[in-house]
Amino acid sequence: RKEVEQDPGPFNVPEGATVAFNCTYSNSASQSFFWYRQDCRKEPKLLMSVYSSGNEDGRFTAQLNRASQYISLLIRDSKLSDSATYLCVVRSSASKIIFGSGTRLSIRP
Amino acid sequence: DTGVSQDPRHKITKRGQNVTFRCDPISEHNRLYWYRQTLGQGPEFLTYFQNEAQLEKSRLLSDRFSAERPKGSFSTLEIQRTEQGDSAMYLCASSPQAGLEQYFGPGTRLTVT
Repeated sequence: RKEVEQDPGPFNVPEGATVAFNCTYSNSASQSFFWYRQDCRKEPKLLMSVYSSGNEDGRFTAQLNRASQYISLLIRDSKLSDSATYLCVVRSSASKIIFGSGTRLSIRP
Repeated sequence: DTGVSQDPRHKITKRGQNVTFRCDPISEHNRLYWYRQTLGQGPEFLTYFQNEAQLEKSRLLSDRFSAERPKGSFSTLEIQRTEQGDSAMYLCASSPQAGLEQYFGPGTRLTVT
């Protein structure tokens, strides 16, 4: 079993729709959680950190469920520019940083 | 531009040759990471520096791979006797301290023919 697992997708949704991804992790000692966005042939860019109480940044909402060991990302009112791969990142120490394989999202007009 | 920079952006080499990549982190960041990414996968951790000290190396980092950060600023990653399986995107990231977000450079795409 992978330490961090994501549904690879692709998720193909119409513009304006709401879409959600989950990411599960196996290490209960994990401390920090992040969502990154990666465009085709580009580097990953930080989208948002995930806090225990959940957090929101505009159309994006991230949540953490420690009991079930998953994090989620919700995108509301999706835009064409949201099309990308979304990487879940789980960190249990300064050097123990595990990336998921990513979930591909495609927004259609 | 004060972000992470990497050089070269692309490298094509023949099997058996040595290659070296450079990463310049964000200037006030003391932590520097190297990752490797292949198509359809997330970045895989290779090694990590805090200032000039290399504190962690993945088992993915075979003895053909070596990384340095001699003055705690820029870092180099060298691959000796390249193999076709080394073809990948090599990403560098920096971070101001543990527990905080990482910022990635544009990567070096290596193709071994």
